[in-house]
Amino acid sequence: IAGITQAPTSQILAAGRRMTLRCTQDMRHNAMYWYRQDLGLGLRLIHYSNTAGTTGKGEVPDGYSVSRANTDDFPLTLASAVPSQTSVYFCASSDSAGGEQFFGPGTRLTVL
Amino acid sequence: GQQLNQSPQSMFIQEGEDVSMNCTSSSIFNTWLWYKQDPGEGPVLLIALYKAGELTSNGRLTAQFGTTRKDSFLNISASIPSDVGIYFCAGRRNTDKLIFGTGTRLQVFP
Repeated sequence: IAGITQAPTSQILAAGRRMTLRCTQDMRHNAMYWYRQDLGLGLRLIHYSNTAGTTGKGEVPDGYSVSRANTDDFPLTLASAVPSQTSVYFCASSDSAGGEQFFGPGTRLTVL
Repeated sequence: GQQLNQSPQSMFIQEGEDVSMNCTSSSIFNTWLWYKQDPGEGPVLLIALYKAGELTSNGRLTAQFGTTRKDSFLNISASIPSDVGIYFCAGRRNTDKLIFGTGTRLQVFP
Protein backbone atom coordinates (compact mmCIF):
# COMPACT_ATOMS: atom_id res chain seq x y z
CA ILE A 1 0.00 0.00 0.00
CA ALA A 2 1.33 3.42 -0.89
CA GLY A 3 -0.46 6.57 0.25
CA ILE A 4 -4.22 6.31 0.63
CA THR A 5 -6.42 3.56 -0.68
CA GLN A 6 -10.20 3.48 -0.87
CA ALA A 7 -12.59 0.62 -1.46
CA PRO A 8 -14.72 -0.08 -3.31
CA THR A 9 -13.86 1.90 -6.44
CA SER A 10 -17.54 2.14 -7.26
CA GLN A 11 -20.80 0.76 -5.95
CA ILE A 12 -24.46 0.76 -6.90
CA LEU A 13 -26.69 0.47 -3.87
CA ALA A 14 -30.41 0.14 -3.27
CA ALA A 15 -31.96 2.82 -1.10
CA GLY A 16 -32.30 1.75 2.51
CA ARG A 17 -29.24 -0.48 2.45
CA ARG A 18 -26.29 -0.07 4.78
CA MET A 19 -22.90 0.62 3.21
CA THR A 20 -19.39 1.13 4.54
CA LEU A 21 -16.73 2.87 2.48
CA ARG A 22 -13.21 1.92 3.47
CA CYS A 23 -10.16 4.16 3.68
CA THR A 24 -6.65 3.15 4.67
CA GLN A 25 -3.45 5.21 4.75
CA ASP A 26 0.08 4.03 5.35
CA MET A 27 1.71 7.42 5.96
CA ARG A 28 1.06 7.37 9.72
CA HIS A 29 -0.88 10.60 9.37
CA ASN A 30 -2.73 11.69 12.47
CA ALA A 31 -5.67 13.39 10.77
CA MET A 32 -8.11 11.89 8.29
CA TYR A 33 -11.13 13.28 6.46
CA TRP A 34 -14.12 12.26 4.37
CA TYR A 35 -15.45 14.51 1.61
CA ARG A 36 -18.19 14.18 -0.93
CA GLN A 37 -17.89 15.76 -4.34
CA ASP A 38 -20.98 16.74 -6.29
CA LEU A 39 -21.10 18.54 -9.61
CA GLY A 40 -20.84 22.28 -9.12
CA LEU A 41 -20.38 22.03 -5.35
CA GLY A 42 -16.72 21.21 -5.02
CA LEU A 43 -15.60 19.16 -2.02
CA ARG A 44 -17.69 19.21 1.14
CA LEU A 45 -16.40 17.81 4.41
CA ILE A 46 -18.55 15.07 5.94
CA HIS A 47 -16.57 13.97 9.00
CA TYR A 48 -13.01 14.22 10.19
CA SER A 49 -10.67 12.76 12.78
CA ASN A 50 -7.74 14.73 14.18
CA THR A 51 -6.23 11.66 15.82
CA ALA A 52 -7.04 8.01 16.46
CA GLY A 53 -9.94 7.66 18.85
CA THR A 54 -11.51 11.04 18.04
CA THR A 55 -13.95 12.16 15.36
CA GLY A 56 -15.80 15.34 14.48
CA LYS A 57 -18.60 16.54 12.25
CA GLY A 58 -17.94 18.47 9.08
CA GLU A 59 -20.22 20.54 6.90
CA VAL A 60 -22.59 17.74 5.78
CA PRO A 61 -22.55 14.96 8.43
CA ASP A 62 -26.22 13.90 8.42
CA GLY A 63 -26.79 10.30 7.33
CA TYR A 64 -23.12 9.35 7.81
CA SER A 65 -21.05 7.99 10.66
CA VAL A 66 -17.34 7.32 11.09
CA SER A 67 -15.00 5.60 13.49
CA ARG A 68 -11.25 5.84 14.06
CA ALA A 69 -10.16 2.78 15.97
CA ASN A 70 -6.54 3.09 14.81
CA THR A 71 -4.26 5.49 12.93
CA ASP A 72 -4.51 3.83 9.53
CA ASP A 73 -8.22 3.22 8.97
CA PHE A 74 -11.16 5.61 8.76
CA PRO A 75 -14.34 3.91 7.51
CA LEU A 76 -17.42 5.89 6.52
CA THR A 77 -20.82 4.25 7.05
CA LEU A 78 -24.17 5.07 5.50
CA ALA A 79 -26.67 3.44 7.86
CA SER A 80 -29.60 3.64 5.45
CA ALA A 81 -28.63 5.00 2.05
CA VAL A 82 -30.81 7.54 0.24
CA PRO A 83 -30.58 8.70 -3.39
CA SER A 84 -29.25 12.13 -2.34
CA GLN A 85 -26.13 10.34 -1.12
CA THR A 86 -25.22 9.51 -4.70
CA SER A 87 -21.84 11.15 -5.05
CA VAL A 88 -18.10 10.60 -5.33
CA TYR A 89 -16.53 10.16 -1.92
CA PHE A 90 -12.92 11.07 -1.20
CA CYS A 91 -10.88 10.17 1.82
CA ALA A 92 -7.90 12.36 2.72
CA SER A 93 -5.23 12.49 5.38
CA SER A 94 -2.76 14.99 6.77
CA ASP A 95 0.19 14.74 9.11
CA SER A 96 -1.60 16.96 11.62
CA ALA A 97 -4.94 18.71 11.93
CA GLY A 98 -4.88 21.64 9.51
CA GLY A 99 -1.93 20.22 7.57
CA GLU A 100 -1.72 19.73 3.82
CA GLN A 101 -4.14 17.02 2.82
CA PHE A 102 -3.45 14.07 0.55
CA PHE A 103 -6.39 12.45 -1.19
CA GLY A 104 -7.35 8.91 -2.08
CA PRO A 105 -8.64 7.92 -5.54
CA GLY A 106 -12.31 8.14 -4.56
CA THR A 107 -15.36 5.89 -4.41
CA ARG A 108 -18.22 6.51 -6.83
CA LEU A 109 -21.48 5.63 -5.08
CA THR A 110 -24.88 5.46 -6.76
CA VAL A 111 -27.98 5.00 -4.61
CA LEU A 112 -31.08 3.96 -6.51
CA GLY B 1 -21.16 27.51 5.61
CA GLN B 2 -18.33 29.68 4.44
CA GLN B 3 -17.87 29.82 0.70
CA LEU B 4 -14.90 30.31 -1.53
CA ASN B 5 -15.72 31.90 -4.85
CA GLN B 6 -13.58 30.46 -7.58
CA SER B 7 -13.54 31.81 -11.12
CA PRO B 8 -13.88 31.19 -13.88
CA GLN B 9 -16.02 28.06 -13.56
CA SER B 10 -14.60 26.70 -16.80
CA MET B 11 -12.05 27.61 -19.43
CA PHE B 12 -11.53 26.37 -22.96
CA ILE B 13 -8.13 27.38 -24.29
CA GLN B 14 -5.71 26.49 -27.02
CA GLU B 15 -2.46 24.69 -26.31
CA GLY B 16 0.32 27.20 -25.63
CA GLU B 17 -1.92 29.85 -24.10
CA ASP B 18 -1.50 31.13 -20.56
CA VAL B 19 -4.23 30.54 -17.98
CA SER B 20 -5.27 32.59 -14.97
CA MET B 21 -7.79 31.70 -12.30
CA ASN B 22 -8.57 33.10 -8.88
CA CYS B 23 -10.26 32.41 -5.61
CA THR B 24 -11.82 34.94 -3.24
CA SER B 25 -13.18 34.73 0.28
CA SER B 26 -15.20 36.91 2.60
CA SER B 27 -12.82 35.96 5.42
CA ILE B 28 -9.10 36.16 5.96
CA PHE B 29 -7.11 32.97 5.52
CA ASN B 30 -3.65 32.04 6.78
CA THR B 31 -3.05 29.37 4.17
CA TRP B 32 -4.03 28.95 0.56
CA LEU B 33 -3.64 25.68 -1.30
CA TRP B 34 -4.13 24.83 -4.96
CA TYR B 35 -5.07 21.32 -6.05
CA LYS B 36 -5.54 19.68 -9.44
CA GLN B 37 -7.94 16.83 -10.05
CA ASP B 38 -7.47 14.64 -13.11
CA PRO B 39 -10.56 12.85 -14.44
CA GLY B 40 -11.49 9.88 -12.27
CA GLU B 41 -8.87 10.61 -9.62
CA GLY B 42 -8.51 12.43 -6.34
CA PRO B 43 -7.15 15.97 -6.03
CA VAL B 44 -3.37 16.37 -5.93
CA LEU B 45 -1.66 19.26 -4.16
CA LEU B 46 0.11 21.64 -6.55
CA ILE B 47 1.18 24.63 -4.49
CA ALA B 48 0.87 25.74 -0.86
CA LEU B 49 1.04 29.40 0.23
CA TYR B 50 1.55 30.50 3.83
CA LYS B 51 2.24 34.23 3.79
CA ALA B 52 0.40 37.26 2.42
CA GLY B 53 2.05 38.39 -0.80
CA GLU B 54 3.90 35.10 -1.23
CA LEU B 55 4.55 34.07 -4.82
CA THR B 56 5.43 30.41 -5.39
CA SER B 57 6.15 28.49 -8.58
CA ASN B 58 5.97 24.82 -9.45
CA GLY B 59 7.20 24.37 -13.01
CA ARG B 60 4.84 26.25 -15.29
CA LEU B 61 2.48 26.97 -12.41
CA THR B 62 2.68 30.11 -10.31
CA ALA B 63 0.40 30.93 -7.40
CA GLN B 64 0.13 34.02 -5.25
CA PHE B 65 -1.28 34.66 -1.79
CA GLY B 66 -3.19 37.92 -2.10
CA THR B 67 -2.06 40.82 0.07
CA THR B 68 -5.53 41.21 1.59
CA ARG B 69 -5.34 37.53 2.65
CA LYS B 70 -8.81 37.10 1.16
CA ASP B 71 -7.75 35.91 -2.27
CA SER B 72 -5.31 33.79 -4.21
CA PHE B 73 -4.38 33.40 -7.86
CA LEU B 74 -3.06 30.57 -10.00
CA ASN B 75 -1.40 31.04 -13.35
CA ILE B 76 -0.38 28.34 -15.81
CA SER B 77 2.01 29.36 -18.55
CA ALA B 78 2.23 27.78 -22.01
CA SER B 79 -0.57 25.27 -21.40
CA ILE B 80 -0.25 21.69 -22.65
CA PRO B 81 -2.90 18.97 -23.10
CA SER B 82 -2.04 17.29 -19.78
CA ASP B 83 -3.06 20.46 -17.95
CA VAL B 84 -6.67 19.39 -18.50
CA GLY B 85 -8.55 18.84 -15.28
CA ILE B 86 -10.30 20.64 -12.45
CA TYR B 87 -8.32 23.09 -10.35
CA PHE B 88 -9.45 23.70 -6.78
CA CYS B 89 -8.39 26.39 -4.39
CA ALA B 90 -8.63 25.72 -0.67
CA GLY B 91 -8.22 28.09 2.24
CA ARG B 92 -7.63 27.65 5.93
CA ARG B 93 -7.48 29.81 9.02
CA ASN B 94 -4.94 28.54 11.57
CA THR B 95 -5.75 24.85 12.16
CA ASP B 96 -9.35 25.09 11.00
CA LYS B 97 -10.58 22.68 8.39
CA LEU B 98 -9.85 23.33 4.75
CA ILE B 99 -12.58 25.06 2.77
CA PHE B 100 -12.61 24.27 -0.93
CA GLY B 101 -13.67 26.38 -3.86
CA THR B 102 -16.09 24.95 -6.42
CA GLY B 103 -13.33 24.42 -8.97
CA THR B 104 -12.24 25.68 -12.38
CA ARG B 105 -12.59 23.13 -15.16
CA LEU B 106 -9.81 23.55 -17.72
CA GLN B 107 -9.97 22.15 -21.21
CA VAL B 108 -6.97 22.50 -23.54
CA PHE B 109 -7.35 22.05 -27.26
CA PRO B 110 -4.36 21.14 -29.48
